[in-house]
Amino acid sequence: DTAVSQTPKYLVTQMGNDKSIKCEQNLGHDTMYWYKQDSKKFLKIMFSYNNKELIINETVPNRFSPKSPDKAHLNLHINSLELGDSAVYFCASSQRGDGYTFGSGTRLTVV
Amino acid sequence: GENVEQHPSTLSVQEGDSAVIKCTYSDSASNYFPWYKQELGKRPQLIIDIRSNVGEKKDQRIAVTLNKTAKHFSLHITETQPEDSAVYFCAASWGSGTYKYIFGTGTRLKVLA
Repeated sequence: DTAVSQTPKYLVTQMGNDKSIKCEQNLGHDTMYWYKQDSKKFLKIMFSYNNKELIINETVPNRFSPKSPDKAHLNLHINSLELGDSAVYFCASSQRGDGYTFGSGTRLTVV
Repeated sequence: GENVEQHPSTLSVQEGDSAVIKCTYSDSASNYFPWYKQELGKRPQLIIDIRSNVGEKKDQRIAVTLNKTAKHFSLHITETQPEDSAVYFCAASWGSGTYKYIFGTGTRLKVLA
C-alpha cells in the first residue's frame, strides 16, 4: 500500500518526444511537489501544488507543465525532450509544514 | 539567495564510530530543518527533523542540533553500522506558506566494517 506512487519507474525516450509522469498519494496530504535530482544528486524543486493550486513555480523551461486534477494527484508533462532533461524526477507530498514523503522516482533517459 | 551548504561531501568512518554532518542555511526565516537518507537507487526518506523552537532532538542513534544564531544545524550518528551507509541530505524551509525546502548538496557516508 504505497503512500506516494509514481509511474513509470523508468522512461527511455528520444529527443523531441513528449512524455508524462504520473504521481498519486494516499496520505491525505494537502501539498504535492516535483523535484529533479541530477547526476550529481542535487535535489532541486520544480513545482508545488497545494489543494490543486500552483504555489511554487521555479525557473523551469516552459516545456515542463504540471497538472493537478485533485489534491491526491500531480502529473508532470514534458514537451520536446532534450538530452539535459535526463535525471531522476521525484514526486513528494507533505501535510503543511511537515517533512516530505517522496515517491520512488522516475529515471528519465533522453537519447 | 536560496542556499544550504552541506559538509563534508564524503565521509568514511569505521563501524562503531560517530559521524557528524554539518549544514548552514541563509534564510533567517527558516523554521523547519529535516534530514533525509537516500540509499542507492532508492527514494530520500525522512530520518529526523527539528523546528526552530528546539535546540536539539534525539532519536536512538541519531540526533540533530540547531544553532539559530549561527544558522547552523548538524546531524550526529553514533555507533555507526554498515547499513548507515547512504547519501544524507539536510534541508531548510524557505519563505512562508509554500512549504518549500532547499536541500543541501548531500553527504555520502560510508561505514567501513
